[in-house]
Amino acid sequence: TQLLEQSPQFLSIQEGENLTVYCNSSSVFSSLQWYRQEPGEGPVLLVTVVTGGEVKKLKRLTFQFGDARKDSSLHITAAQPGDTGLYLCAYDSWGKLQFGAGTQVVVTP
Amino acid sequence: DVKVTQSSRYLVKRTGEKVFLECVQDMDHENMFWYRQDPGLGLRLIYFSYDVKMKEKGDIPEGYSVSREKKERFSLILESASTNQTSMYLCASTNREWAGQFSYEQYFGPGTRLTVT
Repeated sequence: TQLLEQSPQFLSIQEGENLTVYCNSSSVFSSLQWYRQEPGEGPVLLVTVVTGGEVKKLKRLTFQFGDARKDSSLHITAAQPGDTGLYLCAYDSWGKLQFGAGTQVVVTP
Repeated sequence: DVKVTQSSRYLVKRTGEKVFLECVQDMDHENMFWYRQDPGLGLRLIYFSYDVKMKEKGDIPEGYSVSREKKERFSLILESASTNQTSMYLCASTNREWAGQFSYEQYFGPGTRLTVT
């Protein structure tokens, strides 16, 4: 059983559309991390959210940490084919990362 | 730039063979990790190491062992490969320093896709 539930599992959209992926849990976290894994590569850290209610922006990507620090969301505006990848959320457990199963996003031209 | 390299991108082995997966990082990181990644399951931690010659079991250590003789190198060993060990294997490294509630970034290698037939 994974502590972090990510939804949806798979998302296929056209270039220019918006999308939101979710990372939910019943546990409270001091922080959550979001990684993106492109095909054939290892995951790369996008952002760490720390404060409840926090919103962080990375170009067209907007990350939000829930007020209760139990969940997080990633919103992509005007998606591009380069956004294709597996989006993973993770929490740090004493130096060890515990990952959700991920959301596979495919953006077609 | 931090670089984590893995010895092979693709590997095919037979059941019962001993398999070595090598990982090298060039940033003098204290901590190194081995994960396996399977569809629908995300990344699961196999073993990790906080220092040379130190190792700790992760969530799924059965059937695996590790070796860390030098700080920059962390090896994953499958003593007798089985078909259920067919998977993507990812190595990662990070520094030990951790300020308060903040997390620190793990840097991943490109992965080794292992097929056991």
